[in-house]
Amino acid sequence: SQTIHQWPATLVQPVGSPLSLECTVEGTSNPNLYWYRQAAGRGLQLLFYSVGIGQISSEVPQNLSASRPQDRQFILSSKKLLLSDSGFYLCAWSLGAGANVLTFGAGSRLTVL
Amino acid sequence: GNSVTQMEGPVTLSEEAFLTINCTYTATGYPSLFWYVQYPGEGLQLLLKATKADDKGSNKGFEATYRKETTSFHLEKGSVQVSDSAVYFCALSFISNFGNEKLTFGTGTRLTIIP
Repeated sequence: SQTIHQWPATLVQPVGSPLSLECTVEGTSNPNLYWYRQAAGRGLQLLFYSVGIGQISSEVPQNLSASRPQDRQFILSSKKLLLSDSGFYLCAWSLGAGANVLTFGAGSRLTVL
Repeated sequence: GNSVTQMEGPVTLSEEAFLTINCTYTATGYPSLFWYVQYPGEGLQLLLKATKADDKGSNKGFEATYRKETTSFHLEKGSVQVSDSAVYFCALSFISNFGNEKLTFGTGTRLTIIP
């Protein structure tokens, strides 16, 4: 069966520090991968998605970047965090075109102080 | 563009009450529609979905019918339980430029059930 892992689950970082959140999927090949952010009172916002290694699409201009170094690994990064980067970050995966169900990870809560 | 508007929360109900959470959408073409649920401290889980007009999705006593004429996908349950307390997200899917499907979510509705 397929599983998705995110870590760390909780992170507290000072403004200006770097960020790396990791997501891995097991039990499937060539998944579509997604990073969402859930900010307080603002619902879910799609940040990045990827249909293959090295293929990243950014949805909104922001202080974050994403990379996909391996088929089942998706990394969310920042060189310098802002206060507004605080939120709950969710990784998700789905199978190829036409399969529209997303499976989400447990999330990573980031607090920037 | 594609968007989802759902009922603002929070919603507080007594156990065994009837639940409706409204969701309407704006989309080009014929999207698929979803309800996801997020229990405290967890990620989102698919609750139910409908892929075409007049389809009814159902799961765990929850139901939602895809109404093209009113562009709605309201979530209902006849008798809620304390364990239904969660945040509920309505969503629609559409095809990206890369050919994969992307989901657009509503802002979520927090539901609290009181014993």
